[in-house]
Amino acid sequence: DAGVTQSPTHLIKTRGQHVTLRCSPISGHKSVSWYQQVLGQGPQFIFQYYEKEERGRGNFPDRFSARQFPNYSSELNVNALLLGDSALYLCASSTTSGGPGRAQYFGPGTRLTVT
Amino acid sequence: SQQGEEDPQALSIQEGENATMNCSYKTSINNLQWYRQNSGRGLVHLILIRSNEREKHSGRLRVTLDTSKKSSSLLITASRAADTASYFCATDESGSGGGNKLTFGTGTQLKVEL
Repeated sequence: DAGVTQSPTHLIKTRGQHVTLRCSPISGHKSVSWYQQVLGQGPQFIFQYYEKEERGRGNFPDRFSARQFPNYSSELNVNALLLGDSALYLCASSTTSGGPGRAQYFGPGTRLTVT
Repeated sequence: SQQGEEDPQALSIQEGENATMNCSYKTSINNLQWYRQNSGRGLVHLILIRSNEREKHSGRLRVTLDTSKKSSSLLITASRAADTASYFCATDESGSGGGNKLTFGTGTQLKVEL
């Protein structure tokens, strides 16, 4: 079975530009979460979506937005890029949202470099 | 913000030895999960322990959870060179929108030498 897939693998952008990152969850998984991992740190939660609705938002500015499509795939958008947005962006999928929680399965990530 | 700290930050052992990593956290949790990450790539889910469980095993992995001390430990027995990676604990907390969010620690870098 295919795991979580993300595209693109690597991306180089200039300050002020915007970027769209894409994620396809494991088949049958309806929840998608996004995390940002800066070099040398653990991942930080950005968003969770379940059944196309936002179920959680981390402490990130409004420049970050996301959406989930009817096929449960998701996009993360970042506007007005800053140098500090350079990071590995990870997508994770899970079967459910809420309750006692389930394991989340991560994709390989998109490495974003802002110059 | 990071939920807690992992200890040690780095660990170097010989193949065949056991490796123990500890994790502390600060808030109430639904469950605690351990992940492995190789060379800055995607995270691999290792094991999940629920808040009402105290110990769990999976292959060479043993995880304990002490909710009174808000701490967990991961033991890898009979380590192999392929276990070389960064290991993260992550606490699953209920989000404000009714969902779940994982809050990760700072990670332990494990190096297993031949």
